Amino acid sequence: EAQVVESGGGLVKPGGSLRLSCAASGFTFRNYDLKWVRQAPGKGLEWVSSITSSGSIYYADSVKGRFTISRDNAKTSLYLQMNSLRAEDTAVYYCARETYYHDSGSFPPVWGQGTQVTVSS
Amino acid sequence: AIQMTQSPSSLSASVGDRVAITCRASQDMRNHLAWYQQKPGKAPSLLIHAASSLQSGVPSRFSGSGSGTDFTLTISSLQPEDFATYFCLQDYDYPRTFGQGTKLEIK
Repeated sequence: EAQVVESGGGLVKPGGSLRLSCAASGFTFRNYDLKWVRQAPGKGLEWVSSITSSGSIYYADSVKGRFTISRDNAKTSLYLQMNSLRAEDTAVYYCARETYYHDSGSFPPVWGQGTQVTVSS
Repeated sequence: AIQMTQSPSSLSASVGDRVAITCRASQDMRNHLAWYQQKPGKAPSLLIHAASSLQSGVPSRFSGSGSGTDFTLTISSLQPEDFATYFCLQDYDYPRTFGQGTKLEIK
């Protein structure tokens, strides 16, 4: 069964850094695009960043220049390095595998359970 | 960026009702849309991917339709456990964008 599991969340002071990890299993990791999505308390979901199977990277404007996404195919892991953290970055962060579209159909996306990041002094 | 307009933002319905939630995209995105259900304090749960593919384990009362710019999630006969928030997500282009969400409440 395909699954992803986030870790690395916690309490950090404004201006601090945190590195989130996402361990994947049950699928051919290197073939899939991956993303981070977050949800602030009482708010909707916000896409944060994506990295494709070929290594192309995309960021939301709200995190560009502060967050860095990366992947390690050998370790089947996804990462999010978060620097210069702000109170507004407080959220549950979800790791997800993207839908894989192929000629005869698609393989579904897979989401983790999330990890809490709290930015507060 | 593709704008996703989801409606309604809230919906009050009774057990057994048939309900429909729509997402309209600002440009053609083929069938690259997923629908999720989320309950308070929980991670989103996938219902439909590729616009109309029912996720394994999801009850058949849930269905998705549409392509291009107009998409619909239909629940054929509401059950008590279906009262939750639903949202769509496009995976056609970057940045990924979500619908604003529909909160489905018991009448």
